[in-house]
Amino acid sequence: GENVEQHPSTLSVQEGDSAVIKCTYSDSASNYFPWYKQELGKGPQLIIDIRSNVGEKKDQRIAVTLNKTAKHFSLHITETQPEDSAVYFCAAAQGVYSGGGADGLTFGKGTHLIIQP
Amino acid sequence: AAGVIQSPRHLIKEKRETATLKCYPIPRHDTVYWYQQGPGQDPQFLISFYEKMQSDKGSIPDRFSAQQFSDYHSELNMSSLELGDSALYFCASSEEGVVNEQYFGPGTRLTVT
Repeated sequence: GENVEQHPSTLSVQEGDSAVIKCTYSDSASNYFPWYKQELGKGPQLIIDIRSNVGEKKDQRIAVTLNKTAKHFSLHITETQPEDSAVYFCAAAQGVYSGGGADGLTFGKGTHLIIQP
Repeated sequence: AAGVIQSPRHLIKEKRETATLKCYPIPRHDTVYWYQQGPGQDPQFLISFYEKMQSDKGSIPDRFSAQQFSDYHSELNMSSLELGDSALYFCASSEEGVVNEQYFGPGTRLTVT
């Protein structure tokens, strides 16, 4: 089965600086890579995702890059703010591009991001 | 915007009892996923349903079963509860054609004593 490694487990950055979280996956059949933000006591919130036919995707201060050859993908957060403090999870799945599909996600162990004021 | 609804939000059971967790997906979402998250851990995929049929199966114990109903809501049934079943249980839903874009509910916190 799929195995997702995530680093670092804890990341502390100064407010306004950038944060980068990296993940690697093992199954070359995986082609869908979402990132989730989870605040204490809440469910994971989908913040951005990328599919294998795209190398990079950006949404305001958040960007994700994917290197299928090396089997790694990264989350980049620029101009960090106190409200960015949370646990971030990367995940991978074998998506199906048409006709539905309900593959479960395999998550990394999470990164606790701390934004220092 | 409407979100995934889970009930109950908190549940306390004793060992060997049974529990039923309910999940109501986002309107027009026809796919439901169940995950278990232990303290300080990542969510672990249990099972999923697409159009009321089981679609994918993860690390769901044999003591657990689930189904999806005609209105697309889903129930996770847990029997012979063990202390180790204490966890957060999340339901997520996705829409056909937007494969795997899963939106999570607020979770049910199950405590087994």
